[in-house]
Amino acid sequence: QKEVEQNSGPLSVPEGAIASLNCTYSDRVSQSFFWYRQYSGKSPELIMSIYSNGDKEDGRFTAQLNKASQYVSLLIRDSQPSDSATYLCAGGSGGYNKLIFGAGTRLAVHP
Amino acid sequence: DVKVTQSSRYLVKRTGEKVFLECVQDMDHENMFWYRQDPGLGLRLIYFSYDVKMKEKGDIPEGYSVSREKKERFSLILESASTNQTSMYLCASTGDSTEAFFGQGTRLTVV
Repeated sequence: QKEVEQNSGPLSVPEGAIASLNCTYSDRVSQSFFWYRQYSGKSPELIMSIYSNGDKEDGRFTAQLNKASQYVSLLIRDSQPSDSATYLCAGGSGGYNKLIFGAGTRLAVHP
Repeated sequence: DVKVTQSSRYLVKRTGEKVFLECVQDMDHENMFWYRQDPGLGLRLIYFSYDVKMKEKGDIPEGYSVSREKKERFSLILESASTNQTSMYLCASTGDSTEAFFGQGTRLTVV
């Protein structure tokens, strides 16, 4: 099993819909999790972090963490074409604040 | 505004050349990382450094070395560039938290 796994997509949703992005992780990944958004040709930018079980909301974004199931998700409400990007799930691993990334899920929001 | 700066946006090098990729951060972060990103594989950790002159191998260190002589600067060295090292290279840094800040990326082509 990969340490952090994501469905590569593409995930296609209509404008205004909820986009649901999912990520599972192995025992090697610790308790801090992050969602990064990456536009084509650009570097990743942090959009959400989550450290404890449950939901965390920030504007149109909600991150969900379920440690028992080793599962992290990102919900994007009222999806916009500008949300079209690759979303990278990352988890902390070992010391030195090292991150392990999934391969990313490509999201396409169509008008 | 926090910043991680990579010395080149695009590089084209010949097979066998020694290649230096430079990264500078202005956040006084202890930890710095070099990743490469390839389609379908996500970000893979090459090397990281947790202090000046200290380094640790990541998941794919073969063919690479690093140097950290000053806290703000972390260099990735390709000792003898090969075509399979054609990729996007991303530098990142973290401080007290696991939130990673990325440079703009260097797209390296080895011909």
